[in-house]
Amino acid sequence: GAVVSQHPSWVICKSGTSVKIECRSLDFQATTMFWYRQFPKQSLMLMATSNEGSKATYEQGVEKDKFLINHASLTLSTLTVTSAHPEDSSFYICSARDRHYGYTFGSGTRLTVV
Amino acid sequence: GESVGLHLPTLSVQEGDNSIINCAYSNSASDYFIWYKQESGKGPQFIIDIRSNMDKRQGQRVTVLLNKTVKHLSLQIAATQPGDSAVYFCAENTGGSYIPTFGRGTSLIVHP
Repeated sequence: GAVVSQHPSWVICKSGTSVKIECRSLDFQATTMFWYRQFPKQSLMLMATSNEGSKATYEQGVEKDKFLINHASLTLSTLTVTSAHPEDSSFYICSARDRHYGYTFGSGTRLTVV
Repeated sequence: GESVGLHLPTLSVQEGDNSIINCAYSNSASDYFIWYKQESGKGPQFIIDIRSNMDKRQGQRVTVLLNKTVKHLSLQIAATQPGDSAVYFCAENTGGSYIPTFGRGTSLIVHP
């Protein structure tokens, strides 16, 4: 089946630094990938849609300058949390859609900003 | 910081019992529904889906029921096992959009 790999699985960073999270489709090509954010005991909230070769589409209320998305190839999208602050601490999850297997999620990245 | 939100409802069952997890959806135009299982610290995993032209679909140990009249979806898990302990989310898609909208989620706890 379709596999989406997300890296790192967890990261701790200092306030003010930037963190990059990678999302790869391992056995299929994805022109579109999606980034979600999930707070403890809450549902997944779509942050943005990452489009290969073009700008990402951000959901209302999501700061595009804060959460930089790059989708430079058909198998890789990256989310960079710039100038991270403690309130950015969360679980970030990516997903991609494969035409045969549907919507597949990565394993998530736990970001802790100290 | 963490946004204020509702706590996840919790369903506790004994191993071997059948579990029923419910979900109310809001968009009457939604035509595709998915149940996901999310274990702690992991991404959601697809369990089963159903299209709006059906009212029931069965998988291995799982059944999804759809009642469009009252916009209600349920997931039934037969002979629940400790490995079924997780948070379960329903998600809905509206025709033409392949981005699912997630519901609140239910935490299932299975006691051995």
